[in-house]
Amino acid sequence: DSGVTQTPKHLITATGQRVTLRCSPRSGDLSVYWYQQSLDQGLQFLIQYYNGEERAKGNILERFSAQQFPDLHSELNLSSLELGDSALYFCASSVGYLGQGAETQYFGPGTRLLVL
Amino acid sequence: QQQVKQSPQSLIVQKGGISIINCAYENTAFDYFPWYQQFPGKGPALLIAIRPDVSEKKEGRFTISFNKSAKQFSLHIMDSQPGDSATYFCAANSNAGNNRKLIWGLGTSLAVNP
Repeated sequence: DSGVTQTPKHLITATGQRVTLRCSPRSGDLSVYWYQQSLDQGLQFLIQYYNGEERAKGNILERFSAQQFPDLHSELNLSSLELGDSALYFCASSVGYLGQGAETQYFGPGTRLLVL
Repeated sequence: QQQVKQSPQSLIVQKGGISIINCAYENTAFDYFPWYQQFPGKGPALLIAIRPDVSEKKEGRFTISFNKSAKQFSLHIMDSQPGDSATYFCAANSNAGNNRKLIWGLGTSLAVNP
């Protein structure tokens, strides 16, 4: 158990809908990362937050947005969903954003999203 | 642009054999090279990592070999077991724009036959 929690575990929705994925980082970790994992795409980095502020952006679509709240939990919002958005979404956390505290990321169990 | 190239994409090994997964990188600013292991239905987890000041690191049956001049590193799993069947990701880490950034390989699916 990494100490990172994600809810829900599974999500089934329809095209055009909007969903929110939630992540709680490990106790003491200030950085949160979101990843998308599709069958043939490996791990795609979406976005990183540190202590409530956006630190880095990856291949995140404009239809997707995220935020990190004062209690450090984070939410990933996916809107106008398309079939191709079906994937595993992982949240990871690390202590910081620089130095050795940022080298290891601890992953949650993921949310499996199915868009029908 | 894939900054960390991982091969092979998939690997089948007999129980007791040696599994070898290779990664190559281009950016000489990378200073930390972790390997993550992911079991089906789970998130990736750090397996072993190496810094470029050493050429090899061993933890149990898992060894990272690092070749700084060739900009390559590899994971060796000795005496491979069916329980090692998982997807393995190499990664490279650097400071990029005042922020640690992890660049991922595309992963290798390992199946160890009993």
